[in-house]
Amino acid sequence: DIQLTQSPSFLSASVGDRVTITCRASQDIISYLAWYQQQPGKAPKLLIHAASTLQSGVPSRFSGSGSGTEFTLTISSLQPEDFATYYCQQLRNYPLTFGGGTKVEIK
Amino acid sequence: QVQLQESGPGLVKPSQTLSLMCTISGGSISSVGYYWSWVRQHPGKGLEWIGHIYYSGNIYYNPSLKSRVTISVDTSNNQFSLTMTSVTAADTAVYYCARYSYGSGNSFFFDYWGQGALVTVSS
Repeated sequence: DIQLTQSPSFLSASVGDRVTITCRASQDIISYLAWYQQQPGKAPKLLIHAASTLQSGVPSRFSGSGSGTEFTLTISSLQPEDFATYYCQQLRNYPLTFGGGTKVEIK
Repeated sequence: QVQLQESGPGLVKPSQTLSLMCTISGGSISSVGYYWSWVRQHPGKGLEWIGHIYYSGNIYYNPSLKSRVTISVDTSNNQFSLTMTSVTAADTAVYYCARYSYGSGNSFFFDYWGQGALVTVSS
């Protein structure tokens, strides 16, 4: 199985901050990577696919980059509604796997 | 707008079978380019892909659960289902159904999700 390691697992930030989350894959997944946002008690919401393609309707402050084994999700200016948990997911090989999550909390 | 809704018992006894249904509205389960998936989330934990099915019956399962899981599709009712046998407390989780879209290039993703169904395994 392809393991995805997210870092940090927790971060505390303020509104307006630039935030970067890293996802490292245990083997090359090219750019078969998606990012999701999950609010408490809600289903995950797709933010980015193919490592860097913004899903329709997602604010442009979200961006993704990377390929191979290292990927990043960046929020350019954190908004109140962005405090949530973020997951990466690889779709290169079965079984499909998710990272352990990064919880973004208000400082 | 595609919507998915899980339904099924919220409480299952240990060693028994968990059964959930996902009903799709606003779209057809027979649409080309989509698999219909199950994902679970243990309380306070991360996400685990269980498996998914194409309308024609092609199925992929997570090997860690494959021996206990069956996913099936009912095209006439626009539904798909999950059954999991011999459940234990470790199967207590929120179960989500979701649409897995595979497009051109590397554009694979889960774009629509149900609200989730909490299933508790307890006697």
